[in-house]
Amino acid sequence: IQLTQSPSFLSASVGDRVTITCRASQGISSYLVWYQQKPGTAPKLLIYAASTLQSGVPSRFSGSGSGTEFTLTISSLQPEDFATYFCQQLYNYPFTFGGGTKVEIK
Amino acid sequence: QVQLVQSGAEVKKPGAPVKVSCRASGYTFTSYAMHWVRQAPGQRPEWMGWINAGNGDTKYSQKFQDRVTLTTDTAARTAYMELSSLRPEDTAVYFCARLTALAPMYAFDLWGQGTMVTVSS
Repeated sequence: IQLTQSPSFLSASVGDRVTITCRASQGISSYLVWYQQKPGTAPKLLIYAASTLQSGVPSRFSGSGSGTEFTLTISSLQPEDFATYFCQQLYNYPFTFGGGTKVEIK
Repeated sequence: QVQLVQSGAEVKKPGAPVKVSCRASGYTFTSYAMHWVRQAPGQRPEWMGWINAGNGDTKYSQKFQDRVTLTTDTAARTAYMELSSLRPEDTAVYFCARLTALAPMYAFDLWGQGTMVTVSS
């Protein structure tokens, strides 16, 4: 299953609302996870089952979608949110990742 | 403290094998599956396979099926990933990651810090 994220890069300001899209090449129900990754560190789980916020993750992060189209939204971008975001499908093997969206400061 | 601690960076020549370790602490090691993911510089992560730390069952990505071996030492609470016949394109950071059931599904909720493997002649 191929995952296509868009955009691959976005420039935004603190306080902006940001939306990232992940499209699957076939239906994956809600077996979709979002991670945040900062340089030199491991991915950090943000959202699982497409829309469930992982414990400890700020509520400004939200996820939606099912089937083939999913979105990650950051309602008000904070300085610590500048990072790369990846989606991952856990519907079947191999567990594939999207190409990533790098969020940079405008 | 719940964590996964991986072994240090490796530099290998083409054709050599590499073995990366991942030591777990703070949870019941045998109750979870351990997955391995690699990430080449500037690339998306790539899933390699997993091992059931309780019974040793494994499943590998077809891409790595012939070259990767996942094992565990339950007494040492450590998982291992061995990749053979290394080539320069295997240069990447290798991560172990715990798969956790998070109702109604599951996800990788705990990751090691990563191990850089460089393959160069």
